[in-house]
Amino acid sequence: QVQLVQSGAEVKKPGASVKVSCKASGYTFTSYGISWVRQAPGQGLEWMGWISAYNGNTNYAQKLQGRVTMTTDTSTSTAYMELRSLRSDDTAVYYCARLPIVGATWADYWGQGTLVTVSS
Amino acid sequence: EIVMTQSPATLSVSPGERATLSCRASQSVSSNLAWYQQKPGQAPRLLIYGASTRATGIPARFSGSGSGTEFTLTISSLQSEDFAVYYCQQYNNWPTFGQGTKVEIK
Repeated sequence: QVQLVQSGAEVKKPGASVKVSCKASGYTFTSYGISWVRQAPGQGLEWMGWISAYNGNTNYAQKLQGRVTMTTDTSTSTAYMELRSLRSDDTAVYYCARLPIVGATWADYWGQGTLVTVSS
Repeated sequence: EIVMTQSPATLSVSPGERATLSCRASQSVSSNLAWYQQKPGQAPRLLIYGASTRATGIPARFSGSGSGTEFTLTISSLQSEDFAVYYCQQYNNWPTFGQGTKVEIK
């Protein structure tokens, strides 16, 4: 069965960077994309961007351009999301999710989420 | 950015009753709309895509309708496990979500 397993919670200071991993199993990793979505405490969902696991092409939310990098390691079927210059309003649960169709930006399977807390 | 507005913010329903959730887009998104269910402490779960196509394993009591700017998610007979927050998401342009509708026990 399709599974996305994310790395554990992180606590970071303002200005630091965080890198969250998402290990996929149960499907052919390179046939799908991976998106990243975040949810601030008690808030709604925000689409951060996505990466094609086939060719590494990325598309990032304009507000995060320059601070976020999404990558994949096809040898381990793992996707990564790095966010730099962290601020307090980056505190959120970060989810990876599979994009089921090339070009589609809706997600059919989700990771369990990774809480990133930014605090001095 | 396309703004998605969901109503009501909270819906109080008794088990076995029908629930109707609305989602409105600030401009047409055609049928490029998905619905997700989220329970506390859990990741979202895909229910509907293409405005009306149920995702794999989703019970038939969940149905979606609409196109353009007006969409509806209907839960025909609420079960205990359906009490949760529901989000709509458009993917016609850069993906955006509604703010959610909480379905609570009446």
